Amino acid sequence: TQLLEQSPQFLSIQEGENLTVYCNSSSVFSSLQWYRQEPGEGPVLLVTVVTGGEVKKLKRLTFQFGDARKDSSLHITAAQPGDTGLYLCAGAGAYGNNRLAFGKGNQVVVIP
Amino acid sequence: NAGVTQTPKFQVLKTGQSMTLQCAQDMNHNSMYWYRQDPGMGLRLIYYSASEGTTDKGEVPNGYNVSRLNKREFSLRLESAAPSQTSVYFCASSEGTGGPGELFFGEGSRLTVL
Repeated sequence: TQLLEQSPQFLSIQEGENLTVYCNSSSVFSSLQWYRQEPGEGPVLLVTVVTGGEVKKLKRLTFQFGDARKDSSLHITAAQPGDTGLYLCAGAGAYGNNRLAFGKGNQVVVIP
Repeated sequence: NAGVTQTPKFQVLKTGQSMTLQCAQDMNHNSMYWYRQDPGMGLRLIYYSASEGTTDKGEVPNGYNVSRLNKREFSLRLESAAPSQTSVYFCASSEGTGGPGELFFGEGSRLTVL
């Protein structure tokens, strides 16, 4: 059973469009991280959200942590080809020892 | 600044062979991790080390052993490789000992077991 469910698994959009991907769980997390992974490389941290309801912005990326700290969303405004990648969410605290639990990822492809 | 360095980047093994994946970090981090990434399965934790001298099992430890050689180095050993261990392996490190914090990943080691 996957602790974190990410949807959609795959998303292909045209450059300039907006998109939202989701990370959901029935567990409560002390914090949640979003990583982006490009082909042939390791994941790189984009943001960490800690407080329920928290919204963080990173240029055209907006991250939101659910009020109950069980879910999160990532919204990209005016997507660009450089946003192409696998977006992974990772929750901390569900195992009780502060290890991260990763979702399977949202594969985003932005077509020029 | 190298960050997390993994070797080798590619390896092909026959069933039953053994090998060791090496990982070194130059950020003076306390915690180190080994993950495997498979299509449709996401990142799964194999073993981790919260500090020098300690190691703990993750979600999928069977068939693997680890050694935290010193603060910088954390190796992953496959004693008798199986086709089910074909995967991309990532080493990661983080600064603290009491929580995951930000993980810094290496570029990955792609292993194929025939």
